[in-house]
Amino acid sequence: NAGVTQTPKFQVLKTGQSMTLQCAQDMNHEYMSWYRQDPGMGLRLIHYSVGAGITDQGEVPNGYNVSRSTTEDFPLRLLSAAPSQTSVYFCASSPEGRDTEAFFGQGTRLTVV
Amino acid sequence: DAKTTQPTSMDCAEGRAANLPCNHSTISGNEYVYWYRQIHSQGPQYIIHGLKNNETNEMASLIITEDRKSSTLILPHATLRDTAVYYCIVRVVGTGRRALTFGSGTRLQVQP
Repeated sequence: NAGVTQTPKFQVLKTGQSMTLQCAQDMNHEYMSWYRQDPGMGLRLIHYSVGAGITDQGEVPNGYNVSRSTTEDFPLRLLSAAPSQTSVYFCASSPEGRDTEAFFGQGTRLTVV
Repeated sequence: DAKTTQPTSMDCAEGRAANLPCNHSTISGNEYVYWYRQIHSQGPQYIIHGLKNNETNEMASLIITEDRKSSTLILPHATLRDTAVYYCIVRVVGTGRRALTFGSGTRLQVQP
């Protein structure tokens, strides 16, 4: 059982480039979310989804898009990367009705130069 | 969500119990206490949660005071791999639409 899998683990982008961070879970969880964690700071919610076809914005959604076409996958797209998006990105999933019991991926460390 | 207060850091000897306190004096009746930890560079890991009764699982025990204004996470036999930042979170369950607020947490250093 792989849990929550994020790819890639590391990425360097140039300013203005776009890319997609992948997140997949094999636990049939309804709820999935994306967080970013900046050095010395807590996690901030970017976007979340309560099920396939349903997404919504979190605290810091600007510059990011998401979609949820299947239960398993929840990709995060950076539209035009900026240095301020340099961060560690975590994807998480939770069972329906138990959103506070989250399983996190190992993170994607993104650097925008 | 109720505010939580945790010590910034704690040390514990390997093999001894680690007792991590959390103060949540403004907790509401429908809010649960959750504990997560984050080992360096890894994603946060759910540990345990409770409402008002003490809880135990394979990782830890959670002791909640009778007035629910504070709680203690107990790692019964700490190992070096338990070195991490531990977060106490107070939340209602099942809203699905709000972030988990991790705060600053307690940095636990397990010493050999």
